[in-house]
Amino acid sequence: GENVEQHPSTLSVQEGDSAVIKCTYSDSASNYFPWYKQELGKRPQLIIDIRSNVGEKKDQRIAVTLNKTAKHFSLHITETQPEDSAVYFCAALDTGRRALTFGSGTRLQVQP
Amino acid sequence: NAGVMQNPRHLVRRRGQEARLRCSPMKGHSHVYWYRQLPEEGLKFMVYLQKENIIDESGMPKERFSAEFPKEGPSILRIQQVVRGDSAAYFCASSPVPGSAGELFFGEGSRLTVL
Repeated sequence: GENVEQHPSTLSVQEGDSAVIKCTYSDSASNYFPWYKQELGKRPQLIIDIRSNVGEKKDQRIAVTLNKTAKHFSLHITETQPEDSAVYFCAALDTGRRALTFGSGTRLQVQP
Repeated sequence: NAGVMQNPRHLVRRRGQEARLRCSPMKGHSHVYWYRQLPEEGLKFMVYLQKENIIDESGMPKERFSAEFPKEGPSILRIQQVVRGDSAAYFCASSPVPGSAGELFFGEGSRLTVL
């Protein structure tokens, strides 16, 4: 099955700085890679996703890049704000299970 | 359109009791997934269901855990003879498309505490 590794586990940045979170996956057939944000005690919510037919996708301050050859993808948040503080999860589609496999999460803390 | 509804939001059980967690997917969604989240950890896949069908239960413990999604009514995750290690948040997610090929819409979760 799919195995997703996520780094770092915690990340602290100053407001206005950029944050980068990286993930690797194992299932070479995987073709869908979403990122979810989970605030404390809340549900995970999709913030951006990318499919394997593109290498990069951007939505305002958030961007995701995908390298299918190396089997890794990254989340980039620019001009971070305190409200970006949350746990971020990457995920990859496990083509066998037809379900998402999630990374272990990155706790992002944006210092005002 | 109401979101994914889970209940109860919080459940306390003593060791050996049964826990039943319910999930009503978003209207029009026929694909339901259950995930478990231990404190400070990620989301672990448990089971993928469609109406009256278990598509994949490879993430479910072999014993004490079962799930269903009947033709009528919510999906139910059932844990028999709970143990302390079952304490976790259980999230249900639904999707209008099969196989997690699109966005999963998560419920608020059911937080199970086993005393």
